[in-house]
Amino acid sequence: DAGITQSPRYKITETGRQVTLMCHQTWSHSYMFWYRQDLGHGLRLIYYSAAADITDKGEVPDGYVVSRSKTENFPLTLESATRSQTSVYFCASSRESNEQFFGPGTRLTVL
Amino acid sequence: KNEVEQSPQNLTAQEGEFITINCSYSVGISALHWLQQHPGGGIVSLFMLSSGKKKHGRLIATINIQEKHSSLHITASHPRDSAVYICAARYGNKLVFGAGTILRVKS
Repeated sequence: DAGITQSPRYKITETGRQVTLMCHQTWSHSYMFWYRQDLGHGLRLIYYSAAADITDKGEVPDGYVVSRSKTENFPLTLESATRSQTSVYFCASSRESNEQFFGPGTRLTVL
Repeated sequence: KNEVEQSPQNLTAQEGEFITINCSYSVGISALHWLQQHPGGGIVSLFMLSSGKKKHGRLIATINIQEKHSSLHITASHPRDSAVYICAARYGNKLVFGAGTILRVKS
């Protein structure tokens, strides 16, 4: 009973490379979210999904792509990584209008 | 723009002290969340409230809808309460987060 997991937990990549961060939840929650956390900005919403095949932009979507073909998975792809995308990324899930459960985070460094 | 302001940014307390962290939001919300983030990085939901007051152990959260203000109180603080406390205002199904309050409780 893993709940919500993220992989990898740590990733170092180079500018221009494509990177995919994975998020998996076992609760069948309809809503899933991707956030980034940076010093001086706190947590900011990148993208969210209300159900399989339904996604929408958050506050800082530029440079990111998401998909949700299955309820339990919500991958986040950086199509061409930039140094400004160095951050800690958190995935979360929830039932509609309920508390969100957060994954352990992925620390991404773009060199 | 929906904004969430937290105060104080940093707070140091002695073990046993009563602690209050404040959160203000700019426009009407559907709920207010309080989260805790420990030094290891994990984020845990503490409370979700849309009116009144909720209590869990030594933690109490209150919200005043008219004043657009919420408080998180910790009674009989303990060093294990040391963490970052984050409030987040929910607009529909999206959260807007405050910058967080770094709490250190000394023994």
